[in-house]
Amino acid sequence: DTAVSQTPKYLVTQMGNDKSIKCEQNLGHDTMYWYKQDSKKFLKIMFSYNNKELIINETVPNRFSPKSPDKAHLNLHINSLELGDSAVYFCASSPPEDRVWGYTFGSGTRLTVV
Amino acid sequence: GDSVTQMEGPVTLSEEAFLTINCTYTATGYPSLFWYVQYPGEGLQLLLKATKADDKGSNKGFEATYRKETTSFHLEKGSVQVSDSAVYFCALRGTGNQFYFGTGTSLTVIP
Repeated sequence: DTAVSQTPKYLVTQMGNDKSIKCEQNLGHDTMYWYKQDSKKFLKIMFSYNNKELIINETVPNRFSPKSPDKAHLNLHINSLELGDSAVYFCASSPPEDRVWGYTFGSGTRLTVV
Repeated sequence: GDSVTQMEGPVTLSEEAFLTINCTYTATGYPSLFWYVQYPGEGLQLLLKATKADDKGSNKGFEATYRKETTSFHLEKGSVQVSDSAVYFCALRGTGNQFYFGTGTSLTVIP
C-alpha cells in the first residue's frame, strides 16, 4: 500500500502545453504539499493545503494552480509550460500541526519540457 | 526566520569509511530536527529524527544528536556501504506546518 502516490512518474511534453500531476495519500493526513526539486537537488515548497484549504502559496508563477477536491488529494495543474518548469515535483503529506511529525513524500514526477 | 544549513557536497568516501555530514540550524522556539535520504530516482524518506535537546535519532547505522548549545544535528555513520550512496537532507520543523530543508548533500560510496 503506497502511502503517498503520484502520477505520472514521468512526463515529457512540449512548451506551451497544459499538464496535470495527481497526488493521493491514504494516511489520513490533514495537510498536503507540493515541492519542486531542481537539477541541483534543491527543494522549494510551492503550495500547502490543510483540509482542502490553501495555507501556503510561495512565489510561484500563476501558471501553477493546485486543486484539492478532498483532503486525500492534491493535484497540480500547470498551464503554458516553459523550459524552466523542467524539474522533479514531489507531493508530501503530514499529520496535523505538530512539530514532532515528519512529512511523507511521494516518489516524485519528473517533468521534462522540450 | 527558521533555516537549516548543511555542508555542501558532493562527498565521496570509500566503503567502510566514517561519515559525517554537518547540519546547523536557526530557529525560534524548540524545533524538531530530521534527516531525510533520497536514493537515486526515488522520493525522500525519513531516516531519523529528534524532537528535543540531547535526543539521539538513529536508524540503519546512522545517528544524529540534537545539540541545542551548538544548534547542530550532524549525521554520522561509522562504516558506510555502497548502498548508502544517496542525497541526504537535514530539515527542521518548528511551530506551524512548514518544514525547512537544507540544500542536500550528495554522498557517493565507492567499493
